Amino acid sequence: DVKVTQSSRYLVKRTGEKVFLECVQDMDHENMFWYRQDPGLGLRLIYFSYDVKMKEKGDIPEGYSVSREKKERFSLILESASTNQTSMYLCASGPVNTIYFGEGSWLTVV
Amino acid sequence: KQEVTQIPAALSVPEGENLVLNCSFTDSAIYNLQWFRQDPGKGLTSLLLIQSSQREQTSGRLNASLDKSSGRSTLYIAASQPGDSATYLCAVFIRNAGNMLTFGGGTRLMVKP
Repeated sequence: DVKVTQSSRYLVKRTGEKVFLECVQDMDHENMFWYRQDPGLGLRLIYFSYDVKMKEKGDIPEGYSVSREKKERFSLILESASTNQTSMYLCASGPVNTIYFGEGSWLTVV
Repeated sequence: KQEVTQIPAALSVPEGENLVLNCSFTDSAIYNLQWFRQDPGKGLTSLLLIQSSQREQTSGRLNASLDKSSGRSTLYIAASQPGDSATYLCAVFIRNAGNMLTFGGGTRLMVKP
């Protein structure tokens, strides 16, 4: 079974803090993705990566950055967390034509 | 830009009913279409993947069809059960530099005992 693991399920951070969300996959997938999901807005792609050290902006990259130093790990970074970044964050990975999701990370910024 | 729409947004049915969830997309040049299930507070679980060259896929009580020319897919759930209650999302994979999925807004299904 494919496993996509998000290290933190629930986080509460203060405005202005630097936040790291970590994601690890165990299937040697080339592609990795970070989405956020908000009521009424659906799933929106923040960043994706199709190789180590490669990254591409998705639909809503503002306020976020990513890091992919190793193939199995894709990190989402909030440089200075703001309350409008309170959301559920979903990591995913996959080969060329399909995708597998992690369990999600609930982030609350107060 | 590809847009994916799911109708209805919410659906409530009694247990045992057969039901159909709809998904439409604007650009027929898709690589494949995937149906996912999401339970509250959880990630997405893939249910069915239909390649662009296929017309349908079946898994147990689930059957998904694809009509690329009309930009539509349906997910048919036979003999619905309370355990089927969840949000169902469809997503299309288009082949470009990013190999990205575009998601619909989902249909929230409630199956009442």
